Amino acid sequence: QQQVKQSPQSLIVQKGGISIINCAYENTAFDYFPWYQQFPGKGPALLIAIRPDVSEKKEGRFTISFNKSAKQFSLHIMDSQPGDSATYFCAASMGNDYKLSFGAGTTVTVRA
Amino acid sequence: DVKVTQSSRYLVKRTGEKVFLECVQDMDHENMFWYRQDPGLGLRLIYFSYDVKMKEKGDIPEGYSVSREKKERFSLILESASTNQTSMYLCASSTRGTSGEETQYFGPGTRLLVL
Repeated sequence: QQQVKQSPQSLIVQKGGISIINCAYENTAFDYFPWYQQFPGKGPALLIAIRPDVSEKKEGRFTISFNKSAKQFSLHIMDSQPGDSATYFCAASMGNDYKLSFGAGTTVTVRA
Repeated sequence: DVKVTQSSRYLVKRTGEKVFLECVQDMDHENMFWYRQDPGLGLRLIYFSYDVKMKEKGDIPEGYSVSREKKERFSLILESASTNQTSMYLCASSTRGTSGEETQYFGPGTRLLVL
C-alpha cells in the first residue's frame, strides 16, 4: 500500500486563486519530503522540498507547510497561473535511503 | 543540464513478446530507477540500481527484470508482456546534494501498450 497518501486527486482553481494539496504519512522515519511537478508529456521534476526541522518553506509562489505531530504536509500554490497546470506528486524518503515513496498525484487545472 | 533519455516515447507490443526499455543518463549518477505511472496510483517503483551490475527490487518487480552493464545505462525488460503491463514507464537517475537530500531526474517516459 502507498506509504504517502495524497489528496485531492484533482482540483480546478481560477487564475489568481490558491491551490492546496495535502499529504499524510505514517512512517516517522521519513525525514525528507520533496514535491515533484509533471507537465503533460514530460517526466516529473523536483519543485520544492522540506525537512521536518522546519514548519514552512517558501520558494516564489510555492510554499510547503509541515506538521510533524500530525504527520502531514501540504503544498500551497499562491496566485495560481495557467502555467501551473500540471500533476503534482508529494514524496518522502528516510535517512540514507535512495528510494522515494510517492503519493498518488494531484492534477491541478488553473482556469484563465 | 541533467539529461535522462528513454529509447522510445511510444511502444505497441503483443502479449507474450519480450520488451526492452532503455534509459541513458549523462550526469554520471550512481543511482537509477524504473517506475510505472498509472492514474490514481502515482509512481510505483519497479527496480532500482545503485551501481553497475547491482540491482534491488522495488515495490512491484513481478514480471520485470533489469540490467545495468554500464553506469549510464539502465534497461527494463518485460520477459513476457501482458496486458496488465500497459502503462507509462519512467526512468530516473539521482544524485545526493550537499545537504544529503536525494534529487531524482526523470526521463520523458515511454507509453507502452500491450495488445
